[in-house]
Amino acid sequence: NAGVTQTPKFQVLKTGQSMTLQCAQDMNHEYMSWYRQDPGMGLRLIHYSVGAGITDQGEVPNGYNVSRSTTEDFPLRLLSAAPSQTSVYFCASTPRGRDRGNEQFFGPGTRLTVL
Amino acid sequence: GQQVMQIPQYQHVQEGEDFTTYCNSSTTLSNIQWYKQRPGGHPVFLIQLVKSGEVKKQKRLTFQFGEAKKNSSLHITATQTTDVGTYFCAAGNQFYFGTGTSLTVIP
Repeated sequence: NAGVTQTPKFQVLKTGQSMTLQCAQDMNHEYMSWYRQDPGMGLRLIHYSVGAGITDQGEVPNGYNVSRSTTEDFPLRLLSAAPSQTSVYFCASTPRGRDRGNEQFFGPGTRLTVL
Repeated sequence: GQQVMQIPQYQHVQEGEDFTTYCNSSTTLSNIQWYKQRPGGHPVFLIQLVKSGEVKKQKRLTFQFGEAKKNSSLHITATQTTDVGTYFCAAGNQFYFGTGTSLTVIP
């Protein structure tokens, strides 16, 4: 199993550009989430999904969209990039459900710079 | 989201000294998780605590969940250079993270 994969690893955008950060998992996990990590602020939840077709907002959803058309994929879309969105983005998945545990498995991250 | 405060933000210790980080919430938590993130890496799950007063050990690491389920701690005995990294707690059904404690171990 590849676990949780994220692409790209690095990205530089200009203000106003849009892009999609890809996240995929091959562990058949129901629950997936996106975080951003900024110095001194820990990981902040952007959006999460409890299953295909279901998404919800986290702590800092503004400026981001998500969709979950399949169990495996959970892309994060930046609508119009701003310098404040410069950050490291992590995708995570967890099996959830009875007897499956709550351990979150993280991808390697995408380092995004918005100029 | 669930507010989880973590202290201290930074800790420098001599190799062999002990280390403790604390996670505190104003509300009762259903569970709490602990993660470790090495510099330049991604968070890695360490453990989950669910029961009031629960204590779990992993080699030199001891995890506690408070009786009121509003606080938790991670204690490392006799730190080693391999313990370097940032330790996070995460709480609630949507896994809201604390701000983390960055541990530096001086050889």
